[in-house]
Amino acid sequence: QVQLVQSGTQVKKPGDSVKVSCKASGYTFTNFDISWVRQAPGQGLEWMGWISTYNGNTNYAQKLQGRVTMTTDTSTSTAYMELRNLRSDDTAMYFCARGWELTHWGQGTLVTVSS
Amino acid sequence: EIVLTQSPGTLSLSPGERATLSCRANQSVSSSYLAWYQRNPGQAPRVLIYDASTRATGIPDRFSGSGSGTDFTLTISRLEPEDSAVYYCQQYGSSPRTFGQGTKLEIK
Repeated sequence: QVQLVQSGTQVKKPGDSVKVSCKASGYTFTNFDISWVRQAPGQGLEWMGWISTYNGNTNYAQKLQGRVTMTTDTSTSTAYMELRNLRSDDTAMYFCARGWELTHWGQGTLVTVSS
Repeated sequence: EIVLTQSPGTLSLSPGERATLSCRANQSVSSSYLAWYQRNPGQAPRVLIYDASTRATGIPDRFSGSGSGTDFTLTISRLEPEDSAVYYCQQYGSSPRTFGQGTKLEIK
C-alpha cells in the first residue's frame, strides 16, 4: 500500500536550518508530485510548495521563497524539505503529501523552534 | 492568489443531522480543482473529496461535494460522532495552492 514515512521530531534554535525527509513506498515515486504542508499550533493548514518528482521542478509559497528548498532522491524514493533561518513562528507540524489532490500523507514531523 | 473563505467557522450539530460546509473563492477555481480534507487532532489530514465532487477511496457516501467556479460545498449527511473534526478546502488549480481557514464541526 502507499506509504509516506517522515523523519522524526526536531528541536532547533532561531537561525538554524531543518531538513525533513519523506520516504515513499508502494507506488512509482516519479509518477506523483510531492507537496509540503504545515500547521502551526492553533492555526490552519498552510501550503508550503511542491516538487515534481519527475523533473525536480519546484513551486514555493511566496512567503517562504528564499528560505525553503525542496528536493528529491529518486534512487531512494525520498523527498526532502529544508527550511533555513528558522524563526519561532516556523514551529509547526510539517507534512508531506502525494499528488495534486494530496491523497496520501506522511505522519507529520514536529519542528519546534525555540531559544 | 486565490483566497478561499470557509463558512461557518464552527458548526454544532447532532448525530443523524446533515452538515453543509461552504468554501467560497475570490476568483474562479480552474477546472474545479478543489478538494476537501478532514483533520483530526493527532492524525494527518485525510482527503475526502477531490475535483470538487469525486469521493476519495474509502470515503463513505455520506460525504459529498458539489460546486464549481467560486462556490463549493461539502455535505455530510447522517452525521456520526466520529465526524467531529476540522474540515479544510484547498484549490490546486493555480499556484499558490491555497487552503481555506477551516470549519470546525462539533457533534453534540
